[in-house]
Amino acid sequence: DGGITQSPKYLFRKEGQNVTLSCEQNLNHDAMYWYRQDPGQGLRLIYYSQIVNDFQKGDIAEGYSVSREKKESFPLTVTSAQKNPTAFYLCASSMGQGGNTEAFFGQGTRLTVV
Amino acid sequence: QKEVEQNSGPLSVPEGAIASLNCTYSDRGSQSFFWYRQYSGKSPELIMSIYSNGDKEDGRFTAQLNKASQYVSLLIRDSQPSDSATYLCAVKDRDDKIIFGKGTRLHILP
Repeated sequence: DGGITQSPKYLFRKEGQNVTLSCEQNLNHDAMYWYRQDPGQGLRLIYYSQIVNDFQKGDIAEGYSVSREKKESFPLTVTSAQKNPTAFYLCASSMGQGGNTEAFFGQGTRLTVV
Repeated sequence: QKEVEQNSGPLSVPEGAIASLNCTYSDRGSQSFFWYRQYSGKSPELIMSIYSNGDKEDGRFTAQLNKASQYVSLLIRDSQPSDSATYLCAVKDRDDKIIFGKGTRLHILP
């Protein structure tokens, strides 16, 4: 089955800990994205990557880091510098420039700070 | 900062009527435009994409794009209770950056 897989579905973090959220896609998409969604709010862009070994900050990158070492993987680390990390995190991918540009989402990871 | 604006609603529409959802965007260089549906607690699901001015129809859904007015809309005909959800407008620029509006909550009244 082609698609985008996020893991884990639920994640609990103690204050002061770094945690890494996984996002894997087998759609052969070039572009990948991370968004954060707070209750009753829209999606805010954290980071995005158009190609392997390259990524750009979105609107709320502070306290987060990413890597794009492989085309199919775009993990997001929520660092201890992120003061309010409790949220629903969504990963998406798309073909990128020149092709069908629709973005498709994984099922999301719900992160809670305890 | 590039922005995508939507009325947060809730928009209440009787079952069987037409629901009309609107969206404006600030970046004239935007290339692609999308409507997503999101049920509570779930991830967004793509409904429609539109790339050129005019209308695009897919079943009960019609997307409309007016680049001169920087305006995108979604019409849902014969609204069903299962259409009750939050509808997110999204805009993609030339750098592949995709920005979302805050969404419009749609409630179909049985």
